[in-house]
Amino acid sequence: DQQVKQNSPSLSVQEGRISILNCDYTNSMFDYFLWYKKYPAEGPTFLISISSIKDKNEDGRFTVFLNKSAKHLSLHIVPSQPGDSAVYFCAAGDSGGGADGLTFGKGTHLIIQP
Amino acid sequence: DAGVIQSPRHEVTEMGQEVTLRCKPISGHDYLFWYRQTMMRGLELLIYFNNNVPIDDSGMPEDRFSAKMPNASFSTLKIQPSEPRDSAVYFCASSLSWGSTEAFFGQGTRLTVV
Repeated sequence: DQQVKQNSPSLSVQEGRISILNCDYTNSMFDYFLWYKKYPAEGPTFLISISSIKDKNEDGRFTVFLNKSAKHLSLHIVPSQPGDSAVYFCAAGDSGGGADGLTFGKGTHLIIQP
Repeated sequence: DAGVIQSPRHEVTEMGQEVTLRCKPISGHDYLFWYRQTMMRGLELLIYFNNNVPIDDSGMPEDRFSAKMPNASFSTLKIQPSEPRDSAVYFCASSLSWGSTEAFFGQGTRLTVV
């Protein structure tokens, strides 16, 4: 049973527009969430995170929104740039003692078109 | 396939003790990665293997860390001696090829060194 779901395997966006990547989770014990970016020739790298006490976290062009009631989070990239083309993984964790590490989604392949 | 399997899921050990983390990659995957996850630093690549051969261990923090892959279905990450600052979640991941955009992560091993 997938506890973290990224339902879009791929997403194509024009350069300069907004990219919105979505993630849903089922485990109500998750209280922090992270996004990772992975290029084809590199391992995943940390991008941005948010804890459950917040509903928004912003870092430059990247903003993560968390809707706890809907168990949904999204990553917004504005404006999208060619270098943003990569696979984005959503991950969730329980800091309160579940101690199960992070649960990852399967990733969304973002393609930025010129 | 059951996915990438890591053991143990949790490990608590005393400072100075040797710790061995284990990973079984997905069958047929040529690449295996070891990552360390901390809240402060996110996900860091420690080392990766191609066809059981270590390719890049530049992410290994110190000589106390070592990793082996004796065969295609098993890898270990050893810390000897362990220190409290090694406390983190350690992830193993595998992928079909280096150029693959899809990396499959295990659930992680949460290590606590007291």
